[in-house]
Amino acid sequence: AQSVSQHNHHVILSEAASLELGCNYSYGGTVNLFWYVQYPGQHLQLLLKYFSGDPLVKGIKGFEAEFIKSKFSFNLRKPSVQWSDTAEYFCAVTGYALNFGKGTSLLVTP
Amino acid sequence: DTAVSQTPKYLVTQMGNDKSIKCEQNLGHDTMYWYKQDSKKFLKIMFSYNNKELIINETVPNRFSPKSPDKAHLNLHINSLELGDSAVYFCASTQGTKGVTEAFFGQGTRLTVV
Repeated sequence: AQSVSQHNHHVILSEAASLELGCNYSYGGTVNLFWYVQYPGQHLQLLLKYFSGDPLVKGIKGFEAEFIKSKFSFNLRKPSVQWSDTAEYFCAVTGYALNFGKGTSLLVTP
Repeated sequence: DTAVSQTPKYLVTQMGNDKSIKCEQNLGHDTMYWYKQDSKKFLKIMFSYNNKELIINETVPNRFSPKSPDKAHLNLHINSLELGDSAVYFCASTQGTKGVTEAFFGQGTRLTVV
């Protein structure tokens, strides 16, 4: 079964710092990959997704992710974070349902 | 218009009670899910229905029983609530099951068992 691991559980950054959150999945076939964000007290919202094509995917709010098939990775990046990016970030891979990683809690300090 | 709506948003109840959470989606999707998010924010799939048919039934106590009266609705009934059932329950929907595409989530139901 497909599974996802996120390397960083808690990340603290200052505003304007660059962000990279790691995500690796275990599945050798065709996968669809997602990053979701959950702002405090809210539901999950889609940041970006990869189905096929250009491995560099751009999402909302300046986020992007790069699919590297050889490394089974789909890392999330943002060049300059803002305080409003404080949230939980979940990587997910499709299987018979969306399988989520354990999430990364990002705190951006002013 | 809310795409996936859950009610109630908050639910506080005593141990041993029976409660239900309702979910409705107006996206025309054919597959709906229940996820449980624990205190560590881990999201775990519980159930999935495709066109009213149960297709995913993870290792969940029998006290949890999903019901899908039609493909736009998926309810979750919980019997004999326990302290460990306290969590946030999210409903989600997708179009199709294989090569699942983007999932849309409800606002969540925060269940607190006291």
